[in-house]
Amino acid sequence: QSVLTQPPSASGAPGQRVAISCSGSSSNIENRFVYWFQQFPGTAPRLLMYKNNQRPSGVPDRFSGSKSGTTASLAISGLRSEDEADYYCAAWDDSLSAQVFGPGTKVTVL
Amino acid sequence: QVQLQESGPGLVRPSQTLSLTCIVSGDSISSRNDYWSWIRQPAGKGLEWIGHMYASGSPTYNPSLKSRVTISVDTSKNQFSLKLRSVTAADTAVYYCARAPFYDILSLDVWGKGTTVTVSS
Repeated sequence: QSVLTQPPSASGAPGQRVAISCSGSSSNIENRFVYWFQQFPGTAPRLLMYKNNQRPSGVPDRFSGSKSGTTASLAISGLRSEDEADYYCAAWDDSLSAQVFGPGTKVTVL
Repeated sequence: QVQLQESGPGLVRPSQTLSLTCIVSGDSISSRNDYWSWIRQPAGKGLEWIGHMYASGSPTYNPSLKSRVTISVDTSKNQFSLKLRSVTAADTAVYYCARAPFYDILSLDVWGKGTTVTVSS
């Protein structure tokens, strides 16, 4: 049972915008940075977003991150077939003194 | 560009110790002020952080695993290691090593490809 909550799935047609939420609490998201990872089947995760809304080099600007209170969001605009993957949010939890991941959201491009 | 590669047995007997090594290439582990992490993922499930270690500091472990885990860095071999004691079937997973810069320890920006460990008799 993760302390971060994500919807199990999200979908959209090519070109549309999809948003994935990550809900937490004051011990993690509200007072800590949020990170997002993208994972394709059979491969290692890839850092997609750091410090809430910063993109590592090489990540398209179609991906954007935001945070408000205890909820963070990852948005994918101009959805493309190659965006089909699992997306995980992560943050440090002060109560647990541990890095925690959300359960992941599977994005499907219709 | 730093690259990571996990190595170790793919099969571990219940109650035994799981031992994995992450070989760091492309730079010296001792010259980098980085955090070296282990994360695991059971088949079809999400990611679980196991712990991390700064090359010249003390490790930090997931409290849920702390009593069974040891992470260490061997600068002479340019690698870091994971030991998980008293394993059960619940420890069966893909194990990843990863690194993050010292100034942002959750920015896991380099990952190994992962190694599958099965706990079974």
